[in-house]
Amino acid sequence: QSVLTQPPSVSAAPGQKVTISCSGSSSNVGDNYVSWYHQLPGTAPKLLIYQNNKRPSGIPDRFSGSKSGTSATLGITGLQTGDEADYHCGTWDTSLSAVVFGGGTRLTVL
Amino acid sequence: QVQLQESGPGLVKPSETLSLTCTVSGVSVSTPIYRWAWMRQAPGRGLEWIGDSYYSGGTENNPSLRSRVTISLDKSKNQFSLKLTSVTSADTAVYFCARVSGDRVGPTDDWFDPWGQGTLVTVSS
Repeated sequence: QSVLTQPPSVSAAPGQKVTISCSGSSSNVGDNYVSWYHQLPGTAPKLLIYQNNKRPSGIPDRFSGSKSGTSATLGITGLQTGDEADYHCGTWDTSLSAVVFGGGTRLTVL
Repeated sequence: QVQLQESGPGLVKPSETLSLTCTVSGVSVSTPIYRWAWMRQAPGRGLEWIGDSYYSGGTENNPSLRSRVTISLDKSKNQFSLKLTSVTSADTAVYFCARVSGDRVGPTDDWFDPWGQGTLVTVSS
């Protein structure tokens, strides 16, 4: 059971937009910055978003992050088949004194 | 270009100690603005933070694993390592090392980038 809650799966057609939610509490998402990672099968996670909404160099602006209260959202526009992956959110939990992650969301591009 | 590479045994017997090393290239583990972390991912599960080490050698570990975890830096080899004692089948996972940026003063803004490719460790007799 993960501390942060993500939907197990989402799907959309190529070219469409999808959002992935990450729900937490006041001691984690509500209190600290959120980062997002994508993970292709059998590979290591790769940073997509940090500090809620910043993109590292090399990450296209099709990927965006936002946060409101105790929930964060990853948005992906102009979906491509290459976007099929698992997406993970993470943050610090002040009460647990630990980094916590969501259970991951599998994106399928139909 | 910063790169991290995990190494260590792929099979550990129950009750024994899991030992992994992460070799870092492209940046010094002594750089004050970074920390060095271990994560793991059990088969079909989400990511779990194990802990991380500051350049000074101080560490922060997951409370759920704290008494079993030791993370240490070897500045002379530009490596950091993980030791997890008294392993059980529940510790079977892919183990990743990663560089940590950001800080834990005030609102914490940790982020992990880059990651090593990961190494599968199976606990079995």
